[in-house]
Amino acid sequence: DQQVKQNSPSLSVQEGRISILNCDYTNSMFDYFLWYKKYPAEGPTFLISISSIKDKNEDGRFTVFLNKSAKHLSLHIVPSQPGDSAVYFCAGNNYGQNFVFGPGTRLSVLP
Amino acid sequence: DTGVSQDPRHKITKRGQNVTFRCDPISEHNRLYWYRQTLGQGPEFLTYFQNEAQLEKSRLLSDRFSAERPKGSFSTLEIQRTEQGDSAMYLCASSPRMTGGLEQYFGPGTRLTVT
Repeated sequence: DQQVKQNSPSLSVQEGRISILNCDYTNSMFDYFLWYKKYPAEGPTFLISISSIKDKNEDGRFTVFLNKSAKHLSLHIVPSQPGDSAVYFCAGNNYGQNFVFGPGTRLSVLP
Repeated sequence: DTGVSQDPRHKITKRGQNVTFRCDPISEHNRLYWYRQTLGQGPEFLTYFQNEAQLEKSRLLSDRFSAERPKGSFSTLEIQRTEQGDSAMYLCASSPRMTGGLEQYFGPGTRLTVT
């Protein structure tokens, strides 16, 4: 049973436009969420996080939105840049237990 | 470079052989994690250490897998009698004290291919 789902395996966006990556989770005990970005041949790198007590967290071009009632979060990248092309993983954490990662969404930002 | 390092980066082995991977965490990070990632999936937790103590093991970690962190610094992950299903990317991550594991810094991974 996948506790974290990223139903879009891939997404293509034009440079300068908004990228929206979606993530759904089933475990209502998750209280902390992160987004990681992964380039080929590198390990995942932390991008942005959000606690379940918030519904939005912003860091520069990246904003994460959390809708607890829908068990849904999304990552917005505005404006998208070619260097943002990577695989993005959403992960949930249950009160300090280990993270459960989604399968990832491959973002391609076209120049 | 003060990031997490892993060695080797690639390993090809024949079924039935034993393999060992090494992870060097960021200095002074007290937590160290091992994950496995297969094609099209996100990282899956295998085990983690707080200092030298192995505190949790996933049910994915069969008895052919063993991990150590003898001095609370580097860690090794050994797979005995490898099977083709062990082919995957093995990722290591470390986490600083006081974050409760909520900040994890990943290494580049070791890609294992079992033929």
